[in-house]
Amino acid sequence: EIVLTQSPGTLSLSPGERATLSCRASQSVSSSYLAWYQQKPGQAPRLLIYGASSRATGIPDRFSGSGFGTDFILTISRLEPEDFAVYYCQQYGSSPWTFGQGTKVEIK
Amino acid sequence: QVQLVQSGAEVKKPGASVKVSCKASGYTFISYYFHWVRQAPGQGLEWMGIINPNGASANYAQKFQGRVTMTRDTSTSTVYMELSSLRSEDTAVYYCAREIEGLDSWGQGTLVTVSS
Repeated sequence: EIVLTQSPGTLSLSPGERATLSCRASQSVSSSYLAWYQQKPGQAPRLLIYGASSRATGIPDRFSGSGFGTDFILTISRLEPEDFAVYYCQQYGSSPWTFGQGTKVEIK
Repeated sequence: QVQLVQSGAEVKKPGASVKVSCKASGYTFISYYFHWVRQAPGQGLEWMGIINPNGASANYAQKFQGRVTMTRDTSTSTVYMELSSLRSEDTAVYYCAREIEGLDSWGQGTLVTVSS
């Protein structure tokens, strides 16, 4: 089973700032099958990024993903008020699919 | 548009079973796999398993092997997740989700509360 470790646990930033979230895998993620999700309280997760760097439909271009192998990054170039939420990475290259424990982006 | 609509909240006693449904609309049901993911209160996301609606083969996370069964009904475009021998630690919101390069569409979630 691939273990995903996200850091930091919490990121305190102000609107307009840049957010950089990390996701490290315990072994290489096959074919960069790495996704990022955003979750707000009381809502289902929303797919942001798939294939490590491809934005899902309707996702603003301030969200970008990068990385390969075992190290992946989600960047939010300029935080908007609606971006404060919890973010999860997930690998879907091998079974069982696994999620990271999440990074909370909170307003400073 | 794509919609996944789940059944309502459930309260169960320890040892009982629960069956959650997820009705899909807005696309060809058998074209994409479904996954079930759960989230305990205040916790992260946990993958439970996957079902192929075209043929009904399923693969479960080892943690749930023997307790979970995922099925589908193509006549109603609905997938089901049944979890048996419930314990308090199974209290969570259960989500169905469609797979297209990751999980691109999610149901609204079903809260299952296990309490005596």
